[in-house]
Amino acid sequence: GNSVTQMEGPVTLSEEAFLTINCTYTATGYPSLFWYVQYPGEGLQLLLKATKADDKGSNKGFEATYRKETTSFHLEKGSVQVSDSAVYFCALSKPTNDMRFGAGTRLTVKP
Amino acid sequence: EAGVAQSPRYKIIEKRQSVAFWCNPISGHATLYWYQQILGQGPKLLIQFQNNGVVDDSQLPKDRFSAERLKGVDSTLKIQPAKLEDSAVYLCASSSIRDRGSEQYFGPGTRLTVT
Repeated sequence: GNSVTQMEGPVTLSEEAFLTINCTYTATGYPSLFWYVQYPGEGLQLLLKATKADDKGSNKGFEATYRKETTSFHLEKGSVQVSDSAVYFCALSKPTNDMRFGAGTRLTVKP
Repeated sequence: EAGVAQSPRYKIIEKRQSVAFWCNPISGHATLYWYQQILGQGPKLLIQFQNNGVVDDSQLPKDRFSAERLKGVDSTLKIQPAKLEDSAVYLCASSSIRDRGSEQYFGPGTRLTVT
């Protein structure tokens, strides 16, 4: 079935460090791929998305590229800030919009 | 635009009791989802509505969970009777179109603790 595997956390970085959170997927057909972020005490918010192979999603300095050949959608940011501390979820969507989430990666950024 | 509203935010009950959660989606969103998020895991879809019809309830434990969306707007999710393993955050989400790639908007969730 369709599923997402993402890098286990927690991840702790210093401010201005480079961030990579790995995400790979298993799916039939051509799913859409998403990164959601969950700040403490809040619901999930869409961070970025890509709907077809080679698409790059970007938002707030974060980027991820839909790589069909490696079935990956890794999240990257060149310089993290303390305010980026949150839990990040990789997800895929089947055509019926049934969203499948990874387990989440907790990021803590220290000043 | 107002976001997805959920209530209550927190609920503590004893096992074998019943509980109900309420969700009001973003105005005009035809599709509504209920997810269960157990601590340390990603959200798992319980049920998906399109207007007031069920699209997918394959992962809903129907012996104890039920959900309805009678007028195609707000929705309730009920658990009866609750078990310890039902302790989780219950998230409601909505989206405007039932196509791939459409964003789902999430509410703040209801944290349920079953003792």
